[in-house]
Amino acid sequence: NAGVMQNPRHLVRRRGQEARLRCSPMKGHSHVYWYRQLPEEGLKFMVYLQKENIIDESGMPKERFSAEFPKEGPSILRIQQVVRGDSAAYFCASSPDREHGYTFGSGTRLTVV
Amino acid sequence: KQEVTQIPAALSVPEGENLVLNCSFTDSAIYNLQWFRQDPGKGLTSLLLIQSSQREQTSGRLNASLDKSSGRSTLYIAASQPGDSATYLCAVTRSSSNTGKLIFGQGTTLQVKP
Repeated sequence: NAGVMQNPRHLVRRRGQEARLRCSPMKGHSHVYWYRQLPEEGLKFMVYLQKENIIDESGMPKERFSAEFPKEGPSILRIQQVVRGDSAAYFCASSPDREHGYTFGSGTRLTVV
Repeated sequence: KQEVTQIPAALSVPEGENLVLNCSFTDSAIYNLQWFRQDPGKGLTSLLLIQSSQREQTSGRLNASLDKSSGRSTLYIAASQPGDSATYLCAVTRSSSNTGKLIFGQGTTLQVKP
């Protein structure tokens, strides 16, 4: 079991470009969460997805950010028209259910220049 | 609104010491509490998960306790080693939430000196 796989590990984008972050959950895990860690700040919840459904997106900015978890393939966090304030580490976590806790990926570090 | 606080923010100890990291939460209606370790520039590694009905969990030199009524958890590290140097994060999920999202504290950065 390869664990939660995130790619790319590092991503550099110019202001105004799009960023796509990918997350493959652990085998058998159908719950996927995205968190953001801004410099000098704690981890903040962004969005929770199950296969083909967004369950809770209360932590995700309403504009420019979107997430999906298709029936086949990884979960994608998409940031359109990136700005410098989007520079952060984005972590994905997966879980089989609430009782068993979460496994985190190594994160994608986005730098907007 | 649930808030999670970790004290101290940073801690430096000599190798071999036993130490305690503290986590407090404002709403005692939690579903579970999880302790994580984060190394610089890396992801999170789960250390211990305590369900709301449990009082403590142990793994090797680590012991985590939970007192829901007082809104506190402690992570006890015995015989600390330089390899324990990392940031330790506490996170809770709320009973009222059916999404299971984690609410994190700001972390305690631990340095164990050889």
